[in-house]
Amino acid sequence: GAVVSQHPSRVICKSGTSVKIECRSLDFQATTMFWYRQFPKQSLMLMATSNEGSKATYEQGVEKDKFLINHASLTLSTLTVTSAHPEDSSFYICSARDRRGRGYLSETQYFGPGTRLLVL
Amino acid sequence: AQSVTQLGSHVSVSEGALVLLRCNYSSSVPPYLFWYVQYPNQGLQLLLKYTTGATLVKGINGFEAEFKKSETSFHLTKPSAHMSDAAEYFCAVSPMIYNQGGKLIFGQGTELSVKP
Repeated sequence: GAVVSQHPSRVICKSGTSVKIECRSLDFQATTMFWYRQFPKQSLMLMATSNEGSKATYEQGVEKDKFLINHASLTLSTLTVTSAHPEDSSFYICSARDRRGRGYLSETQYFGPGTRLLVL
Repeated sequence: AQSVTQLGSHVSVSEGALVLLRCNYSSSVPPYLFWYVQYPNQGLQLLLKYTTGATLVKGINGFEAEFKKSETSFHLTKPSAHMSDAAEYFCAVSPMIYNQGGKLIFGQGTELSVKP
């Protein structure tokens, strides 16, 4: 159980285009999803927290107009990198927290396999 | 503010030897603590976690960690390393403050190499 998928796993795009990454919880409902960015040989940096049905909360220094997050359902959140540039090339990872009855939130985050973005 | 420090960005052990990966944290409130493993080009897999109760926590693949409040540590150990343990390991803390939404704060990561 507690499987999170991401699509695509890898994407190459031209500078100036927009790229959408999907994050899905396959076997549980996720009221909260998180988006991380990871540079080579570095740790994960939280970009934003995505709550179903409400606006995402962005971490300091993350441009919300650059990284659009939509959490339209309890099993899907999307990250759109708008007008991508080479410096946006990175490994993007999402995670999800499951919801256990009566609105109690699990303390554990389950991670997707990541999406490798390369902007040429 | 909460933070996590992993001592040693790279640890190398021989197959069959003890694995010890160090993690220290700072937190203004009792945190939840996690160890995750990441294989190349993959997401993170939960190894184990401490929330409350017994301070020695057992996880998957023979790993365990002990929460020591007095030392603000949560070191990860495994008695006998296997070649398949080679990966990046991340320690993380979640302060579980109501307005923090269960955020995870990660350490810098420790790359574990296992020599035959």
